[in-house]
Amino acid sequence: DQQVKQNSPSLSVQEGRISILNCDYTNSMFDYFLWYKKYPAEGPTFLISISSIKDKNEDGRFTVFLNKSAKHLSLHIVPSQPGDSAVYFCAASAGAGNMLTFGGGTRLMVKP
Amino acid sequence: EAGVAQSPRYKIIEKRQSVAFWCNPISGHATLYWYQQILGQGPKLLIQFQNNGVVDDSQLPKDRFSAERLKGVDSTLKIQPAKLEDSAVYLCASSSDRTGFPNSGANVLTFGAGSRLTVL
Repeated sequence: DQQVKQNSPSLSVQEGRISILNCDYTNSMFDYFLWYKKYPAEGPTFLISISSIKDKNEDGRFTVFLNKSAKHLSLHIVPSQPGDSAVYFCAASAGAGNMLTFGGGTRLMVKP
Repeated sequence: EAGVAQSPRYKIIEKRQSVAFWCNPISGHATLYWYQQILGQGPKLLIQFQNNGVVDDSQLPKDRFSAERLKGVDSTLKIQPAKLEDSAVYLCASSSDRTGFPNSGANVLTFGAGSRLTVL
């Protein structure tokens, strides 16, 4: 039973445009959500997070939106750059400090 | 600070053989995790240690997988005997347990580069 789902396995975007990556979850106990980025042959690296008391968190070109009623979160990258090409994983936990459950990932390709 | 170190980076074995992976977490990080990432899927937690005690090993196939974290620092993950479906990247991660601003209170894990296992 997948508690965190990323339904789009891949996404292609032109450089300078907006990239929107989506993630859905089923466990209503999840209250912390994170996005990780992964380049080939490297481990995932932390990108941005949000807690359930907020509906938006911004860090430079990256913004995460949380819709608790829909159990949906999204990552917006504006403007997209070729260096953003990677696999993006969303992850969730029930309670601060608890284990992370990951989605299956979305491969983002940003074309020059 | 130095990152999470893992070795070996690559390992190829035949089924029914054994293999061991080593992880050295970030200095001072009390919590250590082993995740399994099968190609095309997200990382799946195998086991979580707090210092040298096990917090969660509910998804560890205990008939063939074992892990230990001696002295609350380094950890090893062993597979014996290996099966074809064990082919995956084994990721080690650590966290400081100091949640809160600026990470929205989230538990941010720092991952190593992983150990890629191929079972033939």
